[in-house]
Amino acid sequence: DGGITQSPKYLFRKEGQNVTLSCEQNLNHDAMYWYRQDPGQGLRLIYYSQIVNDFQKGDIAEGYSVSREKKESFPLTVTSAQKNPTAFYLCASSISGLGANNEQFFGPGTRLTVL
Amino acid sequence: AQSVTQLDSHVSVSEGTPVLLRCNYSSSYSPSLFWYVQHPNKGLQLLLKYTSAATLVKGINGFEAEFKKSETSFHLTKPSAHMSDAAEYFCVVSEEGNTDKLIFGTGTRLQVFP
Repeated sequence: DGGITQSPKYLFRKEGQNVTLSCEQNLNHDAMYWYRQDPGQGLRLIYYSQIVNDFQKGDIAEGYSVSREKKESFPLTVTSAQKNPTAFYLCASSISGLGANNEQFFGPGTRLTVL
Repeated sequence: AQSVTQLDSHVSVSEGTPVLLRCNYSSSYSPSLFWYVQHPNKGLQLLLKYTSAATLVKGINGFEAEFKKSETSFHLTKPSAHMSDAAEYFCVVSEEGNTDKLIFGTGTRLQVFP
């Protein structure tokens, strides 16, 4: 089946620890995205990547880092510098470029709780 | 800059009655507009999208939306609500100059009562 997988579904970490969230897609999409979702705030863009080995900061990149070494994978690291990391994290992908109608496909999400 | 405003944070309807979820957008160009649905603790699923073709857009599960440029609106409707429609709904607009970026509204939670 084609789609986007995120793991783990639930993640608990102690304050001050870095943690990496996994996102994999087999849709052959060029673009991938990380969003953070908090209650009542909709989705906010953390980072996105339009092509392998390149990525751009979104609206709330501070305290996060990403890599895009492979087309299929776009892991997100939540660092100890992120002041309020407890949230629901969603990964998405899309066909990139003009005329691609930019529909994004979403993974099931990872709920991160920092204790 | 582009933005979307979802006018209601919560909407409650009875099963079998019509659904109306309101969305207004702000854009200096003709944008792409989307409605996504999210069930609890799940990812988002695309309901429908408008990309400058027909102004009345039909989506999945009986939902539809009408693009009204004069009113800068893209309201989501369904003639008859089903219990399974209870979820959070997001109105989304594409960013001008970077069609890979989407801007999300804050969401409308739909409750359906039996």
